[in-house]
Amino acid sequence: AQSVTQLDSQVPVFEEAPVELRCNYSSSVSVYLFWYVQYPNQGLQLLLKYLSGSTLVKGINGFEAEFNKSQTSFHLRKPSVHISDTAEYFCAVSPNAGGTSYGKLTFGQGTILTVHP
Amino acid sequence: KAGVTQTPRYLIKTRGQQVTLSCSPISGHRSVSWYQQTPGQGLQFLFEYFSETQRNKGNFPGRFSGRQFSNSRSEMNVSTLELGDSALYLCASSARTGGYNEQFFGPGTRLTVL
Repeated sequence: AQSVTQLDSQVPVFEEAPVELRCNYSSSVSVYLFWYVQYPNQGLQLLLKYLSGSTLVKGINGFEAEFNKSQTSFHLRKPSVHISDTAEYFCAVSPNAGGTSYGKLTFGQGTILTVHP
Repeated sequence: KAGVTQTPRYLIKTRGQQVTLSCSPISGHRSVSWYQQTPGQGLQFLFEYFSETQRNKGNFPGRFSGRQFSNSRSEMNVSTLELGDSALYLCASSARTGGYNEQFFGPGTRLTVL
């Protein structure tokens, strides 16, 4: 079984400031890791993913995340945020069963990022 | 390529009724997963269908059921609705071939139970 903990439910930040959204996970099997973004009244959009290899992954809209296996963390970062980054962000994992991912994502509770002018 | 479509987008029902939600995956995708999103419980996995068979199931009561048709379209049914079933229901489709398969989400169906 897997579980995901997002350590901050809300993160307020000023425009052009850096931001970090924290995510820890627990799993008895190997997993893939993801960050999704959800804008109001919309579905989820994939920001970035970690499958294997380099622990620093880059995604869309200038976001990046670092996988830390020893700390079982996958924190999301952006060096300079914009007003348009205001949204809810979800960390998620899925089991990596012998290299074939299955359609079951386990999500964290979400972090609402609010960017102030 | 058209994205994942869900119908209807909004639905209002009363307690005790049943409801059916529909999800059309991206062309060529054969896997459809369903999720429930509520303010209290967050995003929770309901089930996944692939090749018309349920492959994974989350921890939901038997009132929640689904099916998938030969064209990969999927429906989700909730019987004997309860107030707590009010939620955004999201479906996601993926190719489910070997290796990693990205899940693409639809806009969701907002269900309100009165």
